[in-house]
Amino acid sequence: EAGVTQFPSHSVIEKGQTVTLRCDPISGHDNLYWYRRVMGKEIKFLLHFVKESKQDESGMPNNRFLAERTGGTYSTLKVQPAELEDSGVYFCAISKGAGGYDYGYTFGSGTRLTVV
Amino acid sequence: AQSVTQLDSQVPVFEEAPVELRCNYSSSVSVYLFWYVQYPNQGLQLLLKYLSGSTLVKGINGFEAEFNKSQTSFHLRKPSVHISDTAEYFCAVIVRYNFNKFYFGSGTKLNVKP
Repeated sequence: EAGVTQFPSHSVIEKGQTVTLRCDPISGHDNLYWYRRVMGKEIKFLLHFVKESKQDESGMPNNRFLAERTGGTYSTLKVQPAELEDSGVYFCAISKGAGGYDYGYTFGSGTRLTVV
Repeated sequence: AQSVTQLDSQVPVFEEAPVELRCNYSSSVSVYLFWYVQYPNQGLQLLLKYLSGSTLVKGINGFEAEFNKSQTSFHLRKPSVHISDTAEYFCAVIVRYNFNKFYFGSGTKLNVKP
């Protein structure tokens, strides 16, 4: 059983449309993170949930991005309306401990978003 | 502010040759250091980490890395690579006052040729 399942694996949408990315973590992990990698650049932090609460959303690019974590289980990241610069790979990660420094993160395989 | 620089975007190497992937970081506070690997169509997987203690850290699949505080480096090495090591490698740091946020480098693609 994969620790983190992300879907869709790929999404191609037109500029101005809405897209929702989903992350399903294995149970027992209170900490959930979203990261993004744009066009071969570094992977950047977007936000961190502890259970259903947003602990740190300092990396969210702007108010077109909305993240939720229902009941502390799965999480969604909605982009509305999508812009060309939103293209990239969106990763979800989980950790057991408070932070990935001790146990490390378990990453999903990512959603590749292409905005055309 | 923290930053991580991976000096080589691509490293081609022949099978059974040694390899070094370079990583330098910049931080005004103490950090923990990590290397992650991403195989095609998979998530990132932890290779090794430095938290404290011995500066030479051994990880999975025969990889090791050495923390050099004076040079702010954490280079990844393997004495003999295999075709299966072909992947993208990411260096990352966590600052000790905020261990819920990784700062990643831009990645190094290791291409092992037969």
